[in-house]
Amino acid sequence: DAGVIQSPRHEVTEMGQEVTLRCKPISGHNSLFWYRQTMMRGLELLIYFNNNVPIDDSGMPEDRFSAKMPNASFSTLKIQPSEPRDSAVYFCASSIAGSYNEQFFGPGTRLTVL
Amino acid sequence: AQSVTQLDSQVPVFEEAPVELRCNYSSSVSVYLFWYVQYPNQGLQLLLKYLSGSTLVKGINGFEAEFNKSQTSFHLRKPSVHISDTAEYFCAVSDRGSGGGADGLTFGKGTHLIIQP
Repeated sequence: DAGVIQSPRHEVTEMGQEVTLRCKPISGHNSLFWYRQTMMRGLELLIYFNNNVPIDDSGMPEDRFSAKMPNASFSTLKIQPSEPRDSAVYFCASSIAGSYNEQFFGPGTRLTVL
Repeated sequence: AQSVTQLDSQVPVFEEAPVELRCNYSSSVSVYLFWYVQYPNQGLQLLLKYLSGSTLVKGINGFEAEFNKSQTSFHLRKPSVHISDTAEYFCAVSDRGSGGGADGLTFGKGTHLIIQP
């Protein structure tokens, strides 16, 4: 079975540009999580969805960040406008609600904002 | 609110020696506990988890961890490390919630395990 798929794997953009990160969870998983990893702050939960519905977005740093999950097999994390401090590795993870939070992580998207 | 403290940012160990990576947590509710491993330029992979029952949990690659409720600790151990164990190790917690429902993970800052030949 394919694991969690994220695209792109690397993204380099200039400050002010819009960035869209994509995630395809494992088939059959109904919970999806977005995390951000930086050297300074470590791994932080940004937002998560259960059955395509956002449950907790308290970790989203600013209004420049938005996330959607239009269906069970696709989610996006958008940053508009991007800033250099958004540079990080963004991970998507999925799980089955009721599986005691065993989350499966994608390979991550390394974002560099110049 | 929850927090996870990994007391060591780096742990150098000689190959075939034992290792312990320390993790302490703070939470006002009961939690599930996890250890994840991250190899360079890769995502996180679950090593082991504590849900309930026996406080000694065995995971993949010969790792084990012991849950100590009174000390709010969940230290990771391996009796003999291999060069391939060089990686970043993350301890994480989540609320038990209701019926094992999904919830976000709170991670520690990570411990870089460095295996020396």
